[in-house]
Amino acid sequence: KAGVTQTPRYLIKTRGQQVTLSCSPISGHRSVSWYQQTPGQGLQFLFEYFSETQRNKGNFPGRFSGRQFSNSRSEMNVSTLELGDSALYLCASSRAGGRGTDTQYFGPGTRLTVL
Amino acid sequence: GQQVMQIPQYQHVQEGEDFTTYCNSSTTLSNIQWYKQRPGGHPVFLIQLVKSGEVKKQKRLTFQFGEAKKNSSLHITATQTTDVGTYFCAGDSNYQLIWGAGTKLIIKP
Repeated sequence: KAGVTQTPRYLIKTRGQQVTLSCSPISGHRSVSWYQQTPGQGLQFLFEYFSETQRNKGNFPGRFSGRQFSNSRSEMNVSTLELGDSALYLCASSRAGGRGTDTQYFGPGTRLTVL
Repeated sequence: GQQVMQIPQYQHVQEGEDFTTYCNSSTTLSNIQWYKQRPGGHPVFLIQLVKSGEVKKQKRLTFQFGEAKKNSSLHITATQTTDVGTYFCAGDSNYQLIWGAGTKLIIKP
């Protein structure tokens, strides 16, 4: 079974631009969560989608948004990029409902650099 | 808000020494999961603990869940270079995973 895929793997943008990242979960998984990882900051939860609905949301500004499609693929968008948005963005899928009891399967991440 | 504190942030060990990381939650957890992230990689699931006082072993790795289901630990016996990476705990509280900040295991040259 194919794993979680994320595109693109690397991205360079300038301040003020916007960016869209894509995540395709493991086949049959309906929950997709997004995380931001910066050096020394661990994994910061952005949001989780299940059946096209946002179920949980972390403490990030409104510039960060996401959506999920009927095939469970998910996108996240960051508008008006800031230097501090430079990070590794990880997507994780899980089987049933995004509940904590479900194992999170992570993709390889998208490395975003904002200049 | 709900927090899971994980310590230490870094641990430097000689190859062959033991390694331990601890997680403490401000609230009772229904379960706790452990993940490992190799340098340059992404987190990979190791194990889930559900029962109070549960202890599970995977070869040289021993995972424990506290009696009150508020703390957990991961102990690695006789570390090897393949153990290098960051170990994260993630506690399930009200159907949301709360992540620890991770402990980075560094093998001294």
